[in-house]
Amino acid sequence: KAGVTQTPRYLIKTRGQQVTLSCSPISGHRSVSWYQQTPGQGLQFLFEYFSETQRNKGNFPGRFSGRQFSNSRSEMNVSTLELGDSALYLCASSHIGKETQYFGPGTRLLVL
Amino acid sequence: AQSVTQLDSQVPVFEEAPVELRCNYSSSVSVYLFWYVQYPNQGLQLLLKYLSGSTLVKGINGFEAEFNKSQTSFHLRKPSVHISDTAEYFCAVIAGNTPLVFGKGTRLSVIA
Repeated sequence: KAGVTQTPRYLIKTRGQQVTLSCSPISGHRSVSWYQQTPGQGLQFLFEYFSETQRNKGNFPGRFSGRQFSNSRSEMNVSTLELGDSALYLCASSHIGKETQYFGPGTRLLVL
Repeated sequence: AQSVTQLDSQVPVFEEAPVELRCNYSSSVSVYLFWYVQYPNQGLQLLLKYLSGSTLVKGINGFEAEFNKSQTSFHLRKPSVHISDTAEYFCAVIAGNTPLVFGKGTRLSVIA
């Protein structure tokens, strides 16, 4: 089975712009979670989607949003980018979300 | 809310020596526990997991971990490390309906 894929792998944006990241889960997985990884804050949970519904949300401002499509693929969007949004964004998938999560390679976002 | 504490931020060890990476968690409900490894510029790879059953779990690359409920610990061990084990290791917990929570990570450096 193919693993979790994320596109793009690298992204450079400027402050004030918006960005959309994409995640394709492992075939058959219906839960997709997103995490932000930074040197200072470590790995922080952004949100989880299951069957196109947001099931859990972390403590991030409303500029961070996401959605899931009927084929379980997910996108996350960050509007009005700030310098502090520079991070590695990781997507993980699992069957139903309450067990083992498998991670993609991440999208590295740099905001200038 | 649950939390995870990785007691050592950095662990240097000589090649072929044993290593233990420590992890403690706090939760008032039953937990699922995980260890992930992250190599430079990559996503997270699952090393091993405890969901239920035997408290000693074996994972990939010769790693094992023991779930100790009374001490709320899930320490990771390997009897003989290799240069290729140099990476960052994350302990994580799921409790109840809350999302996956990670520790701050332990950087393992294997010295030739």
